[in-house]
Amino acid sequence: DAKTTQPPSMDCAEGRAANLPCNHSTISGNEYVYWYRQIHSQGPQYIIHGLKNNETNEMASLIITEDRKSSTLILPHATLRDTAVYYCIVLQGAQKLVFGQGTRLTINP
Amino acid sequence: GAGVSQSPRYKVAKRGQDVALRCDPISGHVSLFWYQQALGQGPEFLTYFQNEAQLDKSGLPSDRFFAERPEGSVSTLKIQRTQQEDSAVYLCASSLVGGLFDYGYTFGSGTRLTVV
Repeated sequence: DAKTTQPPSMDCAEGRAANLPCNHSTISGNEYVYWYRQIHSQGPQYIIHGLKNNETNEMASLIITEDRKSSTLILPHATLRDTAVYYCIVLQGAQKLVFGQGTRLTINP
Repeated sequence: GAGVSQSPRYKVAKRGQDVALRCDPISGHVSLFWYQQALGQGPEFLTYFQNEAQLDKSGLPSDRFFAERPEGSVSTLKIQRTQQEDSAVYLCASSLVGGLFDYGYTFGSGTRLTVV
C-alpha cells in the first residue's frame, strides 16, 4: 500500500497562499489522494480528493503531478482558522484511511 | 442530527474497568469506522462496518476491544479491562455509501479516554 511523506511543520502568513506538499511515490493507478485536516480537539475534516486531474472546491485546490508521485494542497488565502494538522492520505484497500503524522500548519497574523 | 455524534465526550476509567463508547453516525450512512488517536499522533484505524456487518477489524489491538453495530446505525466500541495504554481519543467516522470512491468521511469529535 502506498505511503505518504509530508513535512512535519510549516508556517504561513495570514492572507497568503499556503502550499502543503505530499510525496506518494509508490501510489498505484487506482488509488486516490485525499486531504484531511484536524483542528485542535476536533475530528479530522475532509478537504478534497483527486485521482490524477487537478481539483478545486470552496476550501482548497489540489495539484497532482503528471506522474502522480506527489501532490500539493493549496489554501489560497490562509486565515488563522486554517491552523491545523493536515493529512495527505492515499486511499488504501477497500475503505480505510491510513493517516500518517501530517503537517502541522501554523498561520501567523 | 447534522453530524456524527459521540458520547461521552470525556471518560475517565480506573485500570481494569470496562468502558463503552457510543457513536451515532449521520442518518442513512452505510459505512462506519472507528479510529484510535494517541496524543501527538495521527488517527489509527481500528475497525470498519458496512451496515451491520463488520468487514474489517484488523486494527483492533487486542481481544479486549470489541465493536458492534447491531442494527446498522448506532455503534458501540467496548474496551474490557482497560489499561493505561488504552488512553487515547477514540474517533468515529461515517460515510454515505460503501463504494471505493466515496466523497469523504465525516468524523465525530471523539471520546477522550483516560485510564488512571
